[in-house]
Amino acid sequence: NAGVMQNPRHLVRRRGQEARLRCSPMKGHSHVYWYRQLPEEGLKFMVYLQKENIIDESGMPKERFSAEFPKEGPSILRIQQVVRGDSAAYFCASSPRNFGTGGSGANVLTFGAGSRLTVL
Amino acid sequence: AQSVTQLGSHVSVSEGALVLLRCNYSSSVPPYLFWYVQYPNQGLQLLLKYTSAATLVKGINGFEAEFKKSETSFHLTKPSAHMSDAAEYFCAAGLGGGGNKLTFGTGTQLKVEL
Repeated sequence: NAGVMQNPRHLVRRRGQEARLRCSPMKGHSHVYWYRQLPEEGLKFMVYLQKENIIDESGMPKERFSAEFPKEGPSILRIQQVVRGDSAAYFCASSPRNFGTGGSGANVLTFGAGSRLTVL
Repeated sequence: AQSVTQLGSHVSVSEGALVLLRCNYSSSVPPYLFWYVQYPNQGLQLLLKYTSAATLVKGINGFEAEFKKSETSFHLTKPSAHMSDAAEYFCAAGLGGGGNKLTFGTGTQLKVEL
Protein backbone atom coordinates (compact mmCIF):
# COMPACT_ATOMS: atom_id res chain seq x y z
CA ASN A 1 0.00 0.00 0.00
CA ALA A 2 2.33 2.68 -1.29
CA GLY A 3 1.89 6.19 -0.03
CA VAL A 4 2.42 9.35 -2.02
CA MET A 5 5.38 8.78 -4.29
CA GLN A 6 7.54 11.64 -5.43
CA ASN A 7 10.48 11.59 -7.79
CA PRO A 8 13.15 12.51 -8.12
CA ARG A 9 14.02 12.87 -4.46
CA HIS A 10 16.90 15.15 -5.33
CA LEU A 11 17.34 17.21 -8.45
CA VAL A 12 20.18 19.53 -9.37
CA ARG A 13 19.76 22.05 -12.14
CA ARG A 14 21.75 24.94 -13.48
CA ARG A 15 20.17 28.35 -13.85
CA GLY A 16 18.01 28.49 -16.94
CA GLN A 17 17.29 24.79 -17.12
CA GLU A 18 13.92 23.14 -16.59
CA ALA A 19 12.90 21.09 -13.58
CA ARG A 20 10.13 18.49 -13.64
CA LEU A 21 8.89 17.00 -10.41
CA ARG A 22 6.52 14.06 -10.37
CA CYS A 23 3.93 12.96 -7.86
CA SER A 24 1.85 9.80 -7.79
CA PRO A 25 -0.96 10.12 -5.23
CA MET A 26 -2.05 7.38 -2.91
CA LYS A 27 -4.25 4.75 -4.46
CA GLY A 28 -7.81 5.96 -4.45
CA HIS A 29 -6.89 9.61 -4.03
CA SER A 30 -8.00 11.95 -6.75
CA HIS A 31 -6.91 15.26 -5.23
CA VAL A 32 -3.32 16.44 -5.40
CA TYR A 33 -1.70 19.43 -3.74
CA TRP A 34 1.77 20.88 -4.19
CA TYR A 35 3.58 22.77 -1.44
CA ARG A 36 6.97 24.44 -1.39
CA GLN A 37 9.24 24.62 1.62
CA LEU A 38 11.94 27.23 1.45
CA PRO A 39 14.87 27.01 3.88
CA GLU A 40 13.89 27.97 7.43
CA GLU A 41 10.26 28.40 6.44
CA GLY A 42 7.06 26.45 6.69
CA LEU A 43 5.29 24.90 3.77
CA LYS A 44 3.51 27.23 1.39
CA PHE A 45 0.58 26.12 -0.70
CA MET A 46 1.15 26.29 -4.43
CA VAL A 47 -1.59 24.50 -6.33
CA TYR A 48 -4.48 22.08 -5.95
CA LEU A 49 -5.48 19.76 -8.77
CA GLN A 50 -7.95 17.05 -9.52
CA LYS A 51 -7.68 14.79 -12.52
CA GLU A 52 -7.30 16.99 -15.61
CA ASN A 53 -8.32 20.12 -13.70
CA ILE A 54 -6.54 22.86 -11.81
CA ILE A 55 -8.83 23.80 -8.95
CA ASP A 56 -6.78 26.41 -7.12
CA GLU A 57 -3.46 27.82 -8.28
CA SER A 58 -3.45 30.89 -6.07
CA GLY A 59 -0.07 29.99 -4.62
CA MET A 60 1.73 29.46 -7.89
CA PRO A 61 4.17 32.08 -9.12
CA LYS A 62 2.75 33.80 -12.17
CA GLU A 63 5.63 32.92 -14.42
CA ARG A 64 7.75 29.83 -15.12
CA PHE A 65 5.70 27.49 -12.93
CA SER A 66 3.00 25.14 -14.15
CA ALA A 67 1.30 22.02 -12.89
CA GLU A 68 -0.80 19.30 -14.38
CA PHE A 69 -2.54 16.13 -13.31
CA PRO A 70 -3.43 14.18 -16.44
CA LYS A 71 -6.05 11.50 -16.69
CA GLU A 72 -3.32 8.90 -16.76
CA GLY A 73 -0.02 9.18 -14.97
CA PRO A 74 1.41 11.28 -12.18
CA SER A 75 0.95 14.93 -11.41
CA ILE A 76 3.83 17.04 -12.67
CA LEU A 77 5.14 20.33 -11.34
CA ARG A 78 7.21 22.05 -14.00
CA ILE A 79 9.58 24.92 -13.42
CA GLN A 80 11.02 26.56 -16.49
CA GLN A 81 14.23 28.60 -16.57
CA VAL A 82 15.04 27.88 -12.96
CA VAL A 83 16.73 30.48 -10.79
CA ARG A 84 18.59 30.07 -7.52
CA GLY A 85 15.55 31.23 -5.59
CA ASP A 86 13.68 28.15 -6.78
CA SER A 87 15.93 25.97 -4.63
CA ALA A 88 13.58 24.39 -2.13
CA ALA A 89 11.86 21.20 -1.11
CA TYR A 90 8.68 20.58 -3.06
CA PHE A 91 6.11 18.41 -1.37
CA CYS A 92 3.15 16.74 -2.92
CA ALA A 93 0.13 15.66 -0.91
CA SER A 94 -3.03 13.82 -1.82
CA SER A 95 -6.47 13.30 -0.36
CA PRO A 96 -9.50 11.26 -1.31
CA ARG A 97 -11.82 14.26 -1.46
CA ASN A 98 -12.22 17.90 -0.73
CA PHE A 99 -12.39 19.37 2.74
CA GLY A 100 -15.88 19.92 3.99
CA THR A 101 -17.66 17.60 1.60
CA GLY A 102 -19.01 15.30 4.23
CA GLY A 103 -17.79 12.62 6.55
CA SER A 104 -15.50 13.99 9.21
CA GLY A 105 -15.42 17.26 7.37
CA ALA A 106 -11.67 17.46 7.37
CA ASN A 107 -9.72 15.18 5.15
CA VAL A 108 -6.16 14.57 6.04
CA LEU A 109 -3.52 15.28 3.47
CA THR A 110 -1.00 12.50 3.00
CA PHE A 111 2.40 13.91 2.10
CA GLY A 112 5.15 12.47 0.03
CA ALA A 113 8.79 12.57 1.07
CA GLY A 114 9.45 15.59 -1.11
CA SER A 115 11.67 16.51 -4.00
CA ARG A 116 14.63 18.69 -3.15
CA LEU A 117 15.62 21.00 -5.96
CA THR A 118 19.01 22.65 -5.95
CA VAL A 119 19.74 25.31 -8.54
CA LEU A 120 23.40 26.02 -9.12
CA ALA B 1 -6.53 35.94 5.73
CA GLN B 2 -5.68 32.95 7.83
CA SER B 3 -2.33 32.67 9.55
CA VAL B 4 -0.62 30.25 11.88
CA THR B 5 2.04 31.29 14.36
CA GLN B 6 4.40 28.94 16.11
CA LEU B 7 6.25 30.54 18.97
CA GLY B 8 9.82 29.38 19.25
CA SER B 9 11.61 28.07 16.20
CA HIS B 10 13.79 25.89 18.44
CA VAL B 11 12.78 24.11 21.63
CA SER B 12 15.13 22.00 23.70
CA VAL B 13 13.99 19.62 26.45
CA SER B 14 15.58 16.90 28.51
CA GLU B 15 14.59 13.32 27.97
CA GLY B 16 11.61 12.56 30.19
CA ALA B 17 10.59 16.20 30.48
CA LEU B 18 7.34 17.77 29.32
CA VAL B 19 7.15 18.83 25.70
CA LEU B 20 5.14 21.96 24.92
CA LEU B 21 5.06 23.35 21.40
CA ARG B 22 2.93 26.43 20.89
CA CYS B 23 0.60 27.21 18.03
CA ASN B 24 -1.81 30.09 17.58
CA TYR B 25 -4.07 30.67 14.64
CA SER B 26 -5.95 33.65 13.35
CA SER B 27 -9.14 32.98 11.52
CA SER B 28 -12.59 34.46 11.44
CA VAL B 29 -14.02 30.98 11.91
CA PRO B 30 -12.54 28.06 13.84
CA PRO B 31 -10.50 26.15 11.33
CA TYR B 32 -9.51 22.55 11.17
CA LEU B 33 -6.16 22.25 12.91
CA PHE B 34 -3.35 19.79 12.47
CA TRP B 35 0.05 18.95 13.84
CA TYR B 36 2.56 17.32 11.53
CA VAL B 37 6.02 15.98 12.30
CA GLN B 38 8.90 15.97 9.86
CA TYR B 39 11.97 13.82 10.38
CA PRO B 40 15.13 14.71 8.46
CA ASN B 41 14.81 14.22 4.72
CA GLN B 42 11.31 12.82 5.06
CA GLY B 43 7.82 14.02 4.33
CA LEU B 44 5.32 15.22 6.85
CA GLN B 45 3.57 12.71 9.03
CA LEU B 46 0.27 13.54 10.69
CA LEU B 47 0.39 13.56 14.49
CA LEU B 48 -3.18 14.61 15.20
CA LYS B 49 -6.06 16.72 13.95
CA TYR B 50 -8.86 18.83 15.39
CA THR B 51 -12.15 18.77 13.51
CA SER B 52 -14.57 20.50 15.90
CA ALA B 53 -15.37 17.40 17.89
CA ALA B 54 -13.54 16.97 21.19
CA THR B 55 -11.32 19.92 22.12
CA LEU B 56 -8.63 17.63 23.54
CA VAL B 57 -7.19 15.59 20.74
CA LYS B 58 -4.95 12.59 21.22
CA GLY B 59 -2.50 11.64 18.54
CA ILE B 60 0.22 9.17 17.85
CA ASN B 61 3.39 8.66 19.88
CA GLY B 62 1.82 10.00 23.07
CA PHE B 63 1.20 13.51 21.76
CA GLU B 64 -1.96 15.46 22.37
CA ALA B 65 -3.23 18.95 21.70
CA GLU B 66 -5.99 21.09 23.13
CA PHE B 67 -8.08 23.47 21.08
CA LYS B 68 -8.83 26.65 23.01
CA LYS B 69 -11.08 28.95 21.06
CA SER B 70 -10.81 31.80 23.56
CA GLU B 71 -7.04 31.80 23.15
CA THR B 72 -7.05 30.81 19.45
CA SER B 73 -4.48 28.22 20.38
CA PHE B 74 -3.74 24.60 19.61
CA HIS B 75 -0.62 23.78 21.61
CA LEU B 76 1.01 20.38 21.31
CA THR B 77 2.11 18.52 24.41
CA LYS B 78 3.68 15.27 25.46
CA PRO B 79 4.19 14.39 29.14
CA SER B 80 7.59 12.76 28.72
CA ALA B 81 9.98 13.42 25.87
CA HIS B 82 11.86 10.63 24.20
CA MET B 83 15.01 10.91 22.12
CA SER B 84 13.05 9.70 19.09
CA ASP B 85 10.80 12.77 19.34
CA ALA B 86 13.58 14.99 18.03
CA ALA B 87 12.21 16.38 14.77
CA GLU B 88 10.54 19.42 13.29
CA TYR B 89 6.92 20.00 14.13
CA PHE B 90 4.47 21.98 12.05
CA CYS B 91 1.10 23.32 13.04
CA ALA B 92 -1.35 23.83 10.18
CA ALA B 93 -4.85 25.17 9.72
CA GLY B 94 -7.39 24.54 7.03
CA LEU B 95 -10.81 25.94 6.42
CA GLY B 96 -13.70 23.71 5.49
CA GLY B 97 -16.23 24.32 2.78
CA GLY B 98 -13.75 24.19 -0.04
CA GLY B 99 -10.68 25.44 1.75
CA ASN B 100 -8.33 22.78 0.58
CA LYS B 101 -5.11 24.53 1.19
CA LEU B 102 -3.46 24.27 4.55
CA THR B 103 -1.72 27.23 6.08
CA PHE B 104 1.40 26.13 7.89
CA GLY B 105 3.34 27.68 10.69
CA THR B 106 7.07 28.12 10.25
CA GLY B 107 7.83 25.05 12.31
CA THR B 108 9.48 24.27 15.64
CA GLN B 109 12.63 22.20 15.79
CA LEU B 110 12.50 20.00 18.89
CA LYS B 111 15.76 18.87 20.39
CA VAL B 112 15.79 16.21 23.11
CA GLU B 113 18.84 16.00 25.31
CA LEU B 114 20.01 13.29 27.67
